[in-house]
Amino acid sequence: AQSVTQLDSQVPVFEEAPVELRCNYSSSVSVYLFWYVQYPNQGLQLLLKYLSGSTLVKGINGFEAEFNKSQTSFHLRKPSVHISDTAEYFCAVSGGSYIPTFGRGTSLIVHP
Amino acid sequence: KAGVTQTPRYLIKTRGQQVTLSCSPISGHRSVSWYQQTPGQGLQFLFEYFSETQRNKGNFPGRFSGRQFSNSRSEMNVSTLELGDSALYLCASSLAGAETDTQYFGPGTRLTVL
Repeated sequence: AQSVTQLDSQVPVFEEAPVELRCNYSSSVSVYLFWYVQYPNQGLQLLLKYLSGSTLVKGINGFEAEFNKSQTSFHLRKPSVHISDTAEYFCAVSGGSYIPTFGRGTSLIVHP
Repeated sequence: KAGVTQTPRYLIKTRGQQVTLSCSPISGHRSVSWYQQTPGQGLQFLFEYFSETQRNKGNFPGRFSGRQFSNSRSEMNVSTLELGDSALYLCASSLAGAETDTQYFGPGTRLTVL
């Protein structure tokens, strides 16, 4: 069985500040990790994913995440956020199942 | 390439009625998954279809059902609607539903049950 924990339900931050959204996972098999973003009134879209290789993964819109196997984490970071980054962010894990398991989501709120 | 489309975008029904939601995946994608999204529960997996066969099913009552057609389009049906069924229903498609596949989501159908 696999599970995902997103440690923060809401993260407020000021524009141009750095941000980190935390994600921890558990799985008994090899894992593949994803971050998705959901803007208001839209479906989810992929930000980035880790399948293998380099543990630092770069995605769209300036986001990056680092896979840490020993800490079973896959935290998402951005060095400088914009108002337009305000959205819901979901971490997901797959491995051993066709279906990814999603976290409960973190609401990123960027203030001017 | 056109994205995942879902129809209708909004629905209002009353308790006891039934509803059918439709999803057209990205061309070439053979796996379609359905999720229920609510503020309290997040994304909950309903079921996944691959080549017209239900391959995985989440922990939902039998009132929730689905099917997939030969062109990969999918429908889900909810019978005897309850107030708690009010949610955003998301459809996602992927090439083959493999563990490494990216899921491509539609905009969702917002169902309100009165």
